[in-house]
Amino acid sequence: DAGITQSPRHKVTETGTPVTLRCHQTENHRYMYWYRQDPGHGLRLIHYSYGVKDTDKGEVSDGYSVSRSKTEDFLLTLESATSSQTSVYFCAISPGQKLNTEAFFGQGTRLTVV
Amino acid sequence: DQQVKQNSPSLSVQEGRISILNCDYTNSMFDYFLWYKKYPAEGPTFLISISSIKDKNEDGRFTVFLNKSAKHLSLHIVPSQPGDSAVYFCAASPGSGSRLTFGEGTQLTVNP
Repeated sequence: DAGITQSPRHKVTETGTPVTLRCHQTENHRYMYWYRQDPGHGLRLIHYSYGVKDTDKGEVSDGYSVSRSKTEDFLLTLESATSSQTSVYFCAISPGQKLNTEAFFGQGTRLTVV
Repeated sequence: DQQVKQNSPSLSVQEGRISILNCDYTNSMFDYFLWYKKYPAEGPTFLISISSIKDKNEDGRFTVFLNKSAKHLSLHIVPSQPGDSAVYFCAASPGSGSRLTFGEGTQLTVNP
């Protein structure tokens, strides 16, 4: 299994509070991604990174920011959590010189905003 | 605008029979397609892929068929096993170096 660790695995937070989710990899892969999974929508890309300090927006980036200061860590921050951000969040990594393709996913973080 | 659609939220089959999961897409720029499998409380895992230069790709019990004119792909699992019970996601991209767009997923249940 690819070495991807997401933390925390579960979190309940209040509306308006900041939340940071962490993704840590031990594979030294270039590309890292944050997705959210919601019923009826499948997996939607929030942000992705193609190297240290190099990030770009996905299809549902509003309300989220990311940072990648080290190859192994990719942080997802909700600056002010809203109920619409209640979801399961997945980090993914992929090797090689091309974006995505056969990405390896972490186990997910279930976030509930009350 | 759902560019990748899996119209069947669920599918139930008997062990040993064939499972056929379907996926339709609308973006004619998509030319690389993947299937992922997801068990509860786990992340999705890559299953099989196909590029638009092919119409079939096989890996063991899993075969993906691509019909470009119909903008349709399907995943065949033969024979189906209870361990195949999972959610299956179809995904597509305009080239193997581009971002993926996922479908909604289909819950497959294989009954013993």
